[in-house]
Amino acid sequence: AQSVTQPDIHITVSEGASLELRCNYSYGATPYLFWYVQSPGQGLQLLLKYFSGDTLVQGIKGFEAEFKRSQSSFNLRKPSVHWSDAAEYFCAVGRFVSGGYNKLIFGAGTRLAVHP
Amino acid sequence: EPEVTQTPSHQVTQMGQEVILRCVPISNHLYFYWYRQILGQKVEFLVSFYNNEISEKSEIFDDQFSVERPDGSNFTLKIRSTKLEDSAMYFCASSDSGTTTSANTGELFFGEGSRLTVL
Repeated sequence: AQSVTQPDIHITVSEGASLELRCNYSYGATPYLFWYVQSPGQGLQLLLKYFSGDTLVQGIKGFEAEFKRSQSSFNLRKPSVHWSDAAEYFCAVGRFVSGGYNKLIFGAGTRLAVHP
Repeated sequence: EPEVTQTPSHQVTQMGQEVILRCVPISNHLYFYWYRQILGQKVEFLVSFYNNEISEKSEIFDDQFSVERPDGSNFTLKIRSTKLEDSAMYFCASSDSGTTTSANTGELFFGEGSRLTVL
């Protein structure tokens, strides 16, 4: 069965520091992987996605993620965190059904706090 | 930029009452979804909808829940008799048809959610 694990529930970093949020998945075939961000009281915004090809994907707001099949991981990184990055981050794995329907399974999320 | 819109943003209801949450998906999308997030927990899949019928539903989506596309633009989630444990944020999403090779990736676009509080 598909599953997504985000080992870190809370992470606190200083503004300007680098960031890595961990995500491990379990899936029987080639995964479609996503990172979403949720600011307080807001909806889910897609940061980036991996479908195929280059295993290092670039997203919005300066985020990137690297797909490592051997480790079943899709960790999210940012070289320098801004205070506005404080939010909850969700990793998700998607499954395409024939015809293009896509069901997402989400991880439990990592709440990021940024110290000034 | 096209977006998914949801109403109401927040609804408070008494246990046992019926609730309808409304969503306007992106106009050229074909697939529609409802997810929910109980406070402090992960986002959970409820149901997907395509071609005027349910494609898949989770074990959460029991007989108390139903979905409908009553016209060409709206997609609704109805909870017939709400329970305390239905209190959650409900997210609507839509996607186009994705394939592994096309530029259409079937990415889900989410609305900002409808917060349901059952008292």
